Amino acid sequence: NAGVTQTPKFQVLKTGQSMTLQCAQDMNHEYMSWYRQDPGMGLRLIHYSVGAGITDQGEVPNGYNVSRSTTEDFPLRLLSAAPSQTSVYFCASSYSARSSSYNSPLHFGNGTRLTVT
Amino acid sequence: SQQGEEDPQALSIQEGENATMNCSYKTSINNLQWYRQNSGRGLVHLILIRSNEREKHSGRLRVTLDTSKKSSSLLITASRAADTASYFCATLSWGGYQKVTFGTGTKLQVIP
Repeated sequence: NAGVTQTPKFQVLKTGQSMTLQCAQDMNHEYMSWYRQDPGMGLRLIHYSVGAGITDQGEVPNGYNVSRSTTEDFPLRLLSAAPSQTSVYFCASSYSARSSSYNSPLHFGNGTRLTVT
Repeated sequence: SQQGEEDPQALSIQEGENATMNCSYKTSINNLQWYRQNSGRGLVHLILIRSNEREKHSGRLRVTLDTSKKSSSLLITASRAADTASYFCATLSWGGYQKVTFGTGTKLQVIP
């Protein structure tokens, strides 16, 4: 199993450009999520999905769109990149989306380092 | 806002010593998880403790949870240079779909 795969690993954008960060998992996980990691801020939840066709906002959703057309894929779209979106982005998935499912830890990809100039 | 906050922010110890990291959180939780992040990589799950558990062990890891104080600690015994990493606590709140919230992390350096 590949686990959680993120592409690209690195990306440089100019302000105003758009792009899509890809995330795919091959574990048939119900739950998928996007986090951004900034120095001193830890990880902050951007958007999450509890199944195909269902998405919801996290702590910092502004400037980002997501969709979940299949169980495997959960792309993150930046419609008009801003320097404040310079960060490392992590996709994570888990078997169950239910908070009542105790033993369902997150599996992370290796991240996408995005720089917006 | 961050749910969890780790203490200390950075810790430097000699190989063979024990390392203790603490996590405080704000609201009631379903479970608390600890993750490790090696430089430039994704997070890796270490251990999960449920809200009705007080202590859990996994190899050289010992986690405690005090829900009355809304705090947890992670103890790594007999540390090794390979334990050098950042450690994050993460909490899962009750109800509905799971939204895992991470703390700001403790950066551990183990000196050989």
